[in-house]
Amino acid sequence: GNSVTQMEGPVTLSEEAFLTINCTYTATGYPSLFWYVQYPGEGLQLLLKATKADDKGSNKGFEATYRKETTSFHLEKGSVQVSDSAVYFCALSETGNQFYFGTGTSLTVIP
Amino acid sequence: SQTIHQWPATLVQPVGSPLSLECTVEGTSNPNLYWYRQAAGRGLQLLFYSVGIGQISSEVPQNLSASRPQDRQFILSSKKLLLSDSGFYLCASTSTGLYTDTQYFGPGTRLTVL
Repeated sequence: GNSVTQMEGPVTLSEEAFLTINCTYTATGYPSLFWYVQYPGEGLQLLLKATKADDKGSNKGFEATYRKETTSFHLEKGSVQVSDSAVYFCALSETGNQFYFGTGTSLTVIP
Repeated sequence: SQTIHQWPATLVQPVGSPLSLECTVEGTSNPNLYWYRQAAGRGLQLLFYSVGIGQISSEVPQNLSASRPQDRQFILSSKKLLLSDSGFYLCASTSTGLYTDTQYFGPGTRLTVL
């Protein structure tokens, strides 16, 4: 079946530090992969996505590359800001009907 | 892109009372619609999804129900709330058709059952 595993949090970083949040997936076919971000008290917002192997999704300084050989879609940012403090969810969808989410990784960036 | 509205934004209800949460979608037609619950500090739990008017699939047995009376309206209900129903309820939508596989979320409803 389909599933997503992402690194346990919480993660605490100093401002301008490098961020990596690991995400690996299991899928029977060729899924699209997503990262969503949830700020406190809000719904999820799409951060970036990739629809096929070797695609790189990017937005707001965040990047993730679809690695089929390692079934991974790790989220990275070179220099985090306090405003990046949020919960980050990795997700996949094969059909566009069913979505599978990881458990979320909480990030806190301190000045 | 789509816009998803949810109301109310927050709700405090006593145990045993009924519940009705509403979700409406703008900017698309014939979407797939979803209800998720997020317990404090936890991930997303899919409760229901719908591929069309009157078509509801339940993912988890519980005392909640869902209905889709119109194409872009999705309602989550309960006849008698339990303490364990407390959480953050999110409505989501995806467009149907080719090349449209992104899921969009509403702002959520914070439900506290006392």
